[in-house]
Amino acid sequence: GIQVEQSPPDLILQEGANSTLRCNFSDSVNNLQWFHQNPWGQLINLFYIPSGTKQNGRLSATTVATERYSLLYISSSQTTDSGVYFCAVSGAGSYQLTFGKGTKLSVIP
Amino acid sequence: DTEVTQTPKHLVMGMTNKKSLKCEQHMGHRAMYWYKQKAKKPPELMFVYSYEKLSINESVPSRFSPECPNSSLLNLHLHALQPEDSALYLCASSHPTGVGLNQPQHFGDGTRLSIL
Repeated sequence: GIQVEQSPPDLILQEGANSTLRCNFSDSVNNLQWFHQNPWGQLINLFYIPSGTKQNGRLSATTVATERYSLLYISSSQTTDSGVYFCAVSGAGSYQLTFGKGTKLSVIP
Repeated sequence: DTEVTQTPKHLVMGMTNKKSLKCEQHMGHRAMYWYKQKAKKPPELMFVYSYEKLSINESVPSRFSPECPNSSLLNLHLHALQPEDSALYLCASSHPTGVGLNQPQHFGDGTRLSIL
């Protein structure tokens, strides 16, 4: 199956700082999603981005499918951004969404 | 994603109990999923239903029994669970896969299950 690697595994930021999270995958994908799991366990859809660039407020994401990686940018971080960020992918015609191990982000005041 | 509703939010049960987890969506999705997430781990796929038929069973023990009574509902029946089954159980839904890009999956808030 497709392998997904996320980096860094842990990240501590001062409030207001910017950050970049990376997701590498081992094969071509037909779905790539970024999620934020908050401390209460809710898994929130951030982006559906199998290719290209999208922006939503302080967050943006870029997927370069030909080079098999995706980046999630968080600008002007807030304490509410804390939690675990997951990248998940699936291959052509597959229902199997494979998650990376996540990046645990802690934003401190 | 609050468009997928899971009940109950929390469940504590003994190893001899029988209980069910419920999941409901009204987005017209015809694919529905159960995932299991242990603490500090990513979600892992358990079952997939496509057009109300079981499409994928990821070698899940028979003490977990899924059911899809209609296109909006997905149940997970639990019986004789073990303490190691304590986890967050997530339901998701999507449009079915087909030609072209796969559709995004939308997740419920989960049921936190504790086995005594």
